[in-house]
Parts: sequence; C-alpha cells; structure tokens
Amino acid sequence: QVQLVQSGAGVKKPGSSVRVSCKTSGGTFSTFAITWVRQAPGQGLEWMGGIIPIFARARYAQKFQGRVTITLDESTDTAYMDLKSLQSEDTAVYYCARAKGAYDYYFDVWGQGTLVTVSS
Amino acid sequence: QSALTQPRSVSGSPGQSVTISCTGTSSDIGGYNYVSWYQHHPGKAPKLVIYDVTKRPSGVPDRFSASKSGNTASLTISGLQPEDESDYYCCAYAGSYTYAVFGGGTKLTVL
Repeated sequence: QVQLVQSGAGVKKPGSSVRVSCKTSGGTFSTFAITWVRQAPGQGLEWMGGIIPIFARARYAQKFQGRVTITLDESTDTAYMDLKSLQSEDTAVYYCARAKGAYDYYFDVWGQGTLVTVSS
Repeated sequence: QSALTQPRSVSGSPGQSVTISCTGTSSDIGGYNYVSWYQHHPGKAPKLVIYDVTKRPSGVPDRFSASKSGNTASLTISGLQPEDESDYYCCAYAGSYTYAVFGGGTKLTVL
C-alpha cells in the first residue's frame, strides 16, 4: 500500500520561500512520477509541476516557471517542492500525488496536503 | 495553459443520475485518451474515480462512469447517494511539456 506523507503546515512571510516534503512508502519510488497540485482558498485544483524519477527531469506549469523547483531524494524516497518569492496569493493547500509510472497520466495516491499561509 | 471548463455546480436527487462535462481543446482532452476525474471533499485529499477516460480504479462503485467525445469529457454518476455530494475535478494530459491541466471543479449537491 503506497502512502505519501507530507510535511506540516507553516506560515511564511511575503517574499520568502517554502519547502514542502512528500515522503513515500510502500512502493518502488524510482518508478513513480510525483506531481504537485495546489488549492487556494475558494479555488480549484491547480497542477504546478511534476517529476519522473527514472528520467530525472521535472516539468512545470508555465504559471510557476522560474519560481518552483521539484526535486527528489531517492536515498530517502522523498520528493520536495520549493516555491520562492511567495505572495499572499500563494496561500494554499499543497498536495503531492503519485502517478504509478512514467507513462501513467493520472494520480492514484495523494498526500494529506500541507497548508502554507503567506502573511506578514 | 487555461483550465478545462466545467460547470460550477450540478445537483440531483438521491437515485437520479447527473452528468458533469469538462471541455478542453485538441491539445489536451481531444489530443489524448488521458482524462481523469477526482472526487474532492473539503479538507481531504482528492480521490481518483476515473482514469484513462473510462476506467474505474478498484473500489470505485460502477455508478461512476465516464466518456469522451472530441474535446469534451463527461462524468456520469448514476443512482446518486448522499455521500456522492462533493467537488469533482477533471484533469487531462496536455503533452510532454505542459503535462497536466485541471478543470475548475464542479460542486455536486445531492438534494
């Protein structure tokens, strides 16, 4: 049973950066694709980017290009999402999710979500 | 990449059927057979209910079905039950560069 466990909620100042982690267990990490999705208050789900371990490359939504970096630590089966230059509009719940393989374009396992609040 | 277009809300009575549409373009829905649907209760993680346009994951009731025609995908929930009340999101693969795009979400109310 694959599980994704995310880091805890946090409050950040405008202009700062945040790192959210997503630790996987119960599966073969290197075969997954990990994606990050966020939901701002009152808004819908928004795909931010994803990474495919076996290809070791990340893809980012155009909206977040230059501000988001998604990385993997295969030694700890953990994925990270770094978002910089935070603004109040980045206040959201951030989810990591898994695609089973590099060519599976759906997300069957999700983390519990991490609330990031951007406030001065 | 713009979000896929979904109705803001739909409703139905217990036992009835409802259909939620999701309209995209030939670059996403129309270009690939990779549409997925998610049920999202507020405060919980989204749950996959349909993948690859029509397939149901294990454990999802067969009351949930889906289809695609051209640039529009549809999710149908038949025999509505109170626990189906939730937000539903479509998602489509949009090519190796953009990768994925979500719809704006549809709130299903079971009257």
